[in-house]
Parts: sequence; C-alpha cells; structure tokens
Amino acid sequence: QKEVEQNSGPLSVPEGAIASLNCTYSDRGSQSFFWYRQYSGKSPELIMFIYSNGDKEDGRFTAQLNKASQYVSLLIRDSQPSDSATYLCAPLAAAGNKLTFGGGTRVLVKP
Amino acid sequence: EADIYQTPRYLVIGTGKKITLECSQTMGHDKMYWYQQDPGMELHLIHYSYGVNSTEKGDLSSESTVSRIRTEHFPLTLESARPSHTSQYLCASSGLRRGSTDTQYFGPGTRLTVL
Repeated sequence: QKEVEQNSGPLSVPEGAIASLNCTYSDRGSQSFFWYRQYSGKSPELIMFIYSNGDKEDGRFTAQLNKASQYVSLLIRDSQPSDSATYLCAPLAAAGNKLTFGGGTRVLVKP
Repeated sequence: EADIYQTPRYLVIGTGKKITLECSQTMGHDKMYWYQQDPGMELHLIHYSYGVNSTEKGDLSSESTVSRIRTEHFPLTLESARPSHTSQYLCASSGLRRGSTDTQYFGPGTRLTVL
C-alpha cells in the first residue's frame, strides 16, 4: 500500500462545476496536510494547507480533513480552464519535516 | 512567498561529465530539499538539509551528493552523469515562522538530459 493514495484521473469537469479530489494517507502521526498544484512541466505551487479536522476555505478552494479516516480532500468551486493541472496531496510526516507526495490527480476543466 | 532559484533551468550533457545543479533561496529558510521527478510521475525526495553542515539522504536512493555550507545555498552534484540520471530536479525550502506551518516552496526546477 502506498503511503499517499490519489486517483490519477483525469478528472474531467465542465467549466463552472465543482471538482472534488480525494487523498488517503497511511501515517497516522501526520498532522499537517498540503495541497499543491502542478502545471505540466512546471514546479509545484502551494494551494493551501490544513491541520485541523473539518473544512478550511481559501477563495474557490476548500480543503477537508478527517484524521480518524486518514482522509483529506480538495474541492475546487467554479472550476476554470486555468485550473487544469495535476493536484498533489502531501502529508507532513510525523517524524521530521518531510513531505510525502501522492502521485497526483490530473484535472481537466472543459469550457 | 519564498524566493528560490535554480540554475541551470535546462542542461543537456554527455555521459561521464560531472555536473552541479545550483539552488539558492533568499528567505533565510533553515530547511532545504531536493526532489527528483520523471515526467508524469511522483515527486521523490532524494536529499534534505535542516541547516548548515547538515545533510541527509531522502527516501529515493540517488547517486548524487549535496552540501550545505551556507544557509541560502544547497547545490547537488553528480560526479559522473549517466542517461539514467535524466530527470527533472526540484529544489525546495521551508522555514518555520512563529505561529505558522512549515511550508515548502519550490524552485522552478532543472531539467537534466544525459546523452
């Protein structure tokens, strides 16, 4: 079992719809969780992080965390073609300050 | 937002050459990282450093070496490049400010091709 599991996609959503991305992780000691966006051929850029159970909203993005279920998700509201990218989930390891990245979910937003 | 720089952005070299990939950050971050990523594949941590004169190997075995003589500088060296080293190399840094979460910020990456 991988440490961080994400559906590779592609997740195809129409413009203006909600994209829902899921991530499960195996390290129960992880306390902080990061979502990065990576355009093809570019480096990852931070979207947001979450460390408390529940929801955290930042603009069109909402992260949801359930530590008991070892599950974190990202919602993208009012999806735009510019949101087409790969989204990486990365829990921060309990030991040390190392991130473990999932394989990412590719999102395609169609006009 | 962190300012983190990598040079060169693209490098094409022949087998057997020694190369150094440069990474510098101007945020005063104490932690720095090197990741390797093949196209369409996962990011893998190959080296990290928590401060000057501190370096550790990451989760993915790599023939590269790193050094951390200055806080802002974290170069990666390959003594003898091989085609199997062809990949994208991403540098990141992070530093915990009081009341904040230790967030990693990435440089633009170096795309290395070894012929």
